Amino acid sequence: EDQVTQSPEALRLQEGESSSLNCSYTVSGLRGLFWYRQDPGKGPEFLFTLYSAGEEKEKERLKATLTKKESFLHITAPKPEDSATYLCAVKETSGSRLTFGEGTQLTVNP
Amino acid sequence: GAVVSQHPSWVICKSGTSVKIECRSLDFQATTMFWYRQFPKQSLMLMATSNEGSKATYEQGVEKDKFLINHASLTLSTLTVTSAHPEDSSFYICSAKLAGQETQYFGPGTRLLVL
Repeated sequence: EDQVTQSPEALRLQEGESSSLNCSYTVSGLRGLFWYRQDPGKGPEFLFTLYSAGEEKEKERLKATLTKKESFLHITAPKPEDSATYLCAVKETSGSRLTFGEGTQLTVNP
Repeated sequence: GAVVSQHPSWVICKSGTSVKIECRSLDFQATTMFWYRQFPKQSLMLMATSNEGSKATYEQGVEKDKFLINHASLTLSTLTVTSAHPEDSSFYICSAKLAGQETQYFGPGTRLLVL
C-alpha cells in the first residue's frame, strides 16, 4: 500500500528564514510526485510535478527535489504570503489515484 | 491555464434534501475527474473517479447511491448528495486531469452544511 508521510506537521518561520519541508513516500513504482499548496477554505493549488529521482523544479521562492525515497520542498527567504498548508501526493505506476500526505502547515511571521 | 471551477462555493440545506455540486474544467478537456472530501485539519480523501461517458468508480466505503456522480461531457462533472444528513457536512473538492497527463488540477471546493 502506498504511504506518504510529511514532516514537520507544522512549521513557523520568520520572514526571510529559509527552510525545507519533507515528504517521504513508499510506492511500488512511482509515476509522479506532486506538490500542492492549500489555503484555508480553498482547493489545493498545483505547484510541481516530479517524475524521477534527481529531478528538480523551481518557482519563485520554492524549489522541489526528488530522490527515490523522499522529496523536499525548499522555501528560500519566505514571505508571510507563503503561509499555507503544503500537500505532497504520489501516484503509482499501476493506478490513477493520488495518495496524499497529511500536509505541513507553514506559518511565516513578518 | 488548467482552471477548474466549482459551483456553488457553499450551500446550506435541510436534512433529507438533495444537493448538486458542479465541477467544470474551464480551459481544457478533462477525460478524468475526481471527487474528494476533506474534513477539518485533515488531508483529502478520494471519493470517486469518473471518466467521461462512463460510470464512476467509487472508493471503498463510499456509497454510490448516496453520492451520485455524472460526467456527461469533457468539461463537466456533477456530484449529487442525495438525502443529505448532518454527517454529510464537509468540504467537497473536485479535480480534473487531461488525457495523457498525470497532474490533477483542483477546483476551489464546495462547503456543504446540512442542518
